[in-house]
Amino acid sequence: AQSVTQPDIHITVSEGASLELRCNYSYGATPYLFWYVQSPGQGLQLLLKYFSGDTLVQGIKGFEAEFKRSQSSFNLRKPSVHWSDAAEYFCAVGLHGSGNTGKLIFGQGTTLQVKP
Amino acid sequence: DGGITQSPKYLFRKEGQNVTLSCEQNLNHDAMYWYRQDPGQGLRLIYYSQIVNDFQKGDIAEGYSVSREKKESFPLTVTSAQKNPTAFYLCASSISSVPIREQFFGPGTRLTVL
Repeated sequence: AQSVTQPDIHITVSEGASLELRCNYSYGATPYLFWYVQSPGQGLQLLLKYFSGDTLVQGIKGFEAEFKRSQSSFNLRKPSVHWSDAAEYFCAVGLHGSGNTGKLIFGQGTTLQVKP
Repeated sequence: DGGITQSPKYLFRKEGQNVTLSCEQNLNHDAMYWYRQDPGQGLRLIYYSQIVNDFQKGDIAEGYSVSREKKESFPLTVTSAQKNPTAFYLCASSISSVPIREQFFGPGTRLTVL
């Protein structure tokens, strides 16, 4: 069955430090991949997406992610974290093909705390 | 501004009551989705609709019902058959479901059963 794993439930980094949030997926076909961010009590905002092509994708707010097929991973990175980046981050896989019409499977989320 | 609106933001329900959560979008999107979010469990798909007058069950449809009579509206009813309805409910839409496109989310409705 398709699944998305975010191994880190909670991460704390210092402001200005670099960040990497991990995402691994299990899916038999070429995945469509997404990262979303959620502030407390709010909806989800799309940070970036990968459909095909260049495996390093740039998103909003200075985030980037790299698709590594051999590792079934799509890790999110940011070179220098700002206090406003504190939020919950979700990785998602888009299912395509017969019977999987546009559904997204979400990971459990990683909560990012930023220390001043 | 284009976007997705959900109402109400907070909803309280007594056990045994049905309640309906509203979701409206003015993005002219064909596909709409309802998710349930519980702490530590990510988002789980309740129902989705690829086009007006059509919808399909997601992974946790039991105790929920939907309708899609208008392109811009996709209300979700939480029935008394839903055993544990207290959760945060998110509505989303995408321009299409085939091929896959990114989903855009509303601000959510927090439902509490008293």
